[in-house]
Amino acid sequence: DQQVKQNSPSLSVQEGRISILNCDYTNSMFDYFLWYKKYPAEGPTFLISISSIKDKNEDGRFTVFLNKSAKHLSLHIVPSQPGDSAVYFCAASGAGNQFYFGTGTSLTVIP
Amino acid sequence: EAQVTQNPRYLITVTGKKLTVTCSQNMNHEYMSWYRQDPGLGLRQIYYSMNVEVTDKGDVPEGYKVSRKEKRNFPLILESPSPNQTSLYFCASTRTWGEGTQGYTFGSGTRLTVV
Repeated sequence: DQQVKQNSPSLSVQEGRISILNCDYTNSMFDYFLWYKKYPAEGPTFLISISSIKDKNEDGRFTVFLNKSAKHLSLHIVPSQPGDSAVYFCAASGAGNQFYFGTGTSLTVIP
Repeated sequence: EAQVTQNPRYLITVTGKKLTVTCSQNMNHEYMSWYRQDPGLGLRQIYYSMNVEVTDKGDVPEGYKVSRKEKRNFPLILESPSPNQTSLYFCASTRTWGEGTQGYTFGSGTRLTVV
């Protein structure tokens, strides 16, 4: 049973515009969330994280929002750049020593 | 350079022929894990290890074995590979969990094809 879901397999955005990637989770025990970015032929790399005690975390062009009541988080990229084209995975962890990953969203930023 | 190294990067094998994918990390991380990535299914955990000689099943352990005899190495063993194990495999490691961490550091992946 998929505990972390990314319902949009792909997303296309014009360069300079905002990219919004969404992620939903089912386990209310999750208290730490991360976003990873993956280029072809490479492993995923850490992008940004957020703890459940916060509702927003910002790092440059990347902002992650957490809505605990809705069990939903989103990643905003502003402005989007062609180099942001990649697959993005959200991940969640709780009391156990495991990370649960979503299915990924492939972002294409069109120049 | 801090990294997780997997070998081989690409492997084509035949059904039933035992194989091992090696994984090594140079960051002195306690936790290591193996994931497989399949279209539409994302990253699914196969096995993980919290320290030397401590391993446990993830979500999709059937058909795989692991061992953790040394802290830095965590090989993935397919005793009798089958075509449904054709996938992209990632090894990953992390020092700890929770707030403030960056989660796993991943290797570059092993593309396995079983014919």
